[in-house]
Amino acid sequence: AQKVTQAQTEISVVEKEDVTLDCVYETRDTTYYLFWYKQPPSGELVFLIRRNSFDEQNEISGRYSWNFQKSTSSFNFTITASQVVDSAVYFCALSVGYNQGGKLIFGQGTELSVKP
Amino acid sequence: DAGVIQSPRHEVTEMGQEVTLRCKPISGHNSLFWYRQTMMRGLELLIYFNNNVPIDDSGMPEDRFSAKMPNASFSTLKIQPSEPRDSAVYFCASGAPLNEQFFGPGTRLTVL
Repeated sequence: AQKVTQAQTEISVVEKEDVTLDCVYETRDTTYYLFWYKQPPSGELVFLIRRNSFDEQNEISGRYSWNFQKSTSSFNFTITASQVVDSAVYFCALSVGYNQGGKLIFGQGTELSVKP
Repeated sequence: DAGVIQSPRHEVTEMGQEVTLRCKPISGHNSLFWYRQTMMRGLELLIYFNNNVPIDDSGMPEDRFSAKMPNASFSTLKIQPSEPRDSAVYFCASGAPLNEQFFGPGTRLTVL
């Protein structure tokens, strides 16, 4: 069975602080994809990143960075120098199989609040 | 590209009424997913289609829920009869290669 765990329900930081959102996944499949989505207060789900199980390179996109470690089944997300606009609920998700349009299994989400 | 289109954006109905949610996926994508989001259960998959064929409907809560995809550009999710516990935000997602999914804006359903 597949499962995604986001142990942090809520995080509150002050603007310009760095913050890391944790994600731990479970799957017996060797081919899978990991995702992060952002859900701002307006409610839409915004795709942030996709990572496949064969690529453990960390990725950086502006203030965002992702650390994928298969050894610990983790795919953590770090926001550097957080801003108020980063306030949202962030979801980590898992999809198994390759290019099969597989379903996403979501974690429970982490609500990030960035205060000015 | 208009992205995934869902309608209506908000729906308020009374218990027992039929509700139909609509989705137009991104042109060229061959997978379509219906998710439901509630405070209690988070985001959960209801059903998904590949090339218009239902692949996995194990998440459909009960027989009151049904989904169709008559062609590559349209899908419906129907609840009949609706109940207050069906109140949620329903998302449609369009599936691209490499398992990537793009979500519509959602339909907020309130059943009184």
